[in-house]
Amino acid sequence: SQQGEEDPQALSIQEGENATMNCSYKTSINNLQWYRQNSGRGLVHLILIRSNEREKHSGRLRVTLDTSKKSSSLLITASRAADTASYFCATDGSGGGADGLTFGKGTHLIIQP
Amino acid sequence: NAGVTQTPKFQVLKTGQSMTLQCAQDMNHEYMSWYRQDPGMGLRLIHYSVGAGITDQGEVPNGYNVSRSTTEDFPLRLLSAAPSQTSVYFCASSLSWGNTEAFFGQGTRLTVV
Repeated sequence: SQQGEEDPQALSIQEGENATMNCSYKTSINNLQWYRQNSGRGLVHLILIRSNEREKHSGRLRVTLDTSKKSSSLLITASRAADTASYFCATDGSGGGADGLTFGKGTHLIIQP
Repeated sequence: NAGVTQTPKFQVLKTGQSMTLQCAQDMNHEYMSWYRQDPGMGLRLIHYSVGAGITDQGEVPNGYNVSRSTTEDFPLRLLSAAPSQTSVYFCASSLSWGNTEAFFGQGTRLTVV
């Protein structure tokens, strides 16, 4: 099955800096989503970007999508300690089947105070 | 509004035992799914359902059964637990598949000894 792959696997930055995570996927998609997972908790939806969109913003989050390169990026600006978490991209298939979201392995982000 | 509720939060099983992981949602979502999360593997889809009475297999269905008798509930059954099923299990629900956000439960941490 297709799968998004996040890069880097781990990222450690200072509080206040910007954090950028990348996601690459293999086949055509309708939508791409980003989720956050705090340690020991369930996933929380951050943002959804459709295949006909190139950029989307939500608060301190900025997501881009390049369907020609099959890649997406998540930018968190002015990072805070509370942003420490794992971040996952998830893709659906453009084939129309209801076969679920396919998740990448995640980027573990650590914000140093 | 409880969202997606999973029980139990923790479980230890002996090899060969059976058990049911419970999942309930109160958002009237048609789509529900079960994922397992293993270190370094991201989330992998076990089974999913597009509505009451309709279920299908995901990426890693072996050793698991599901049923969907009501919109609200989507239990996951382990028929004969094996150490390879040691994992964290997440249930998710959404209004539709892939093009809306998925809501996740808090997870069940299962250890099979």
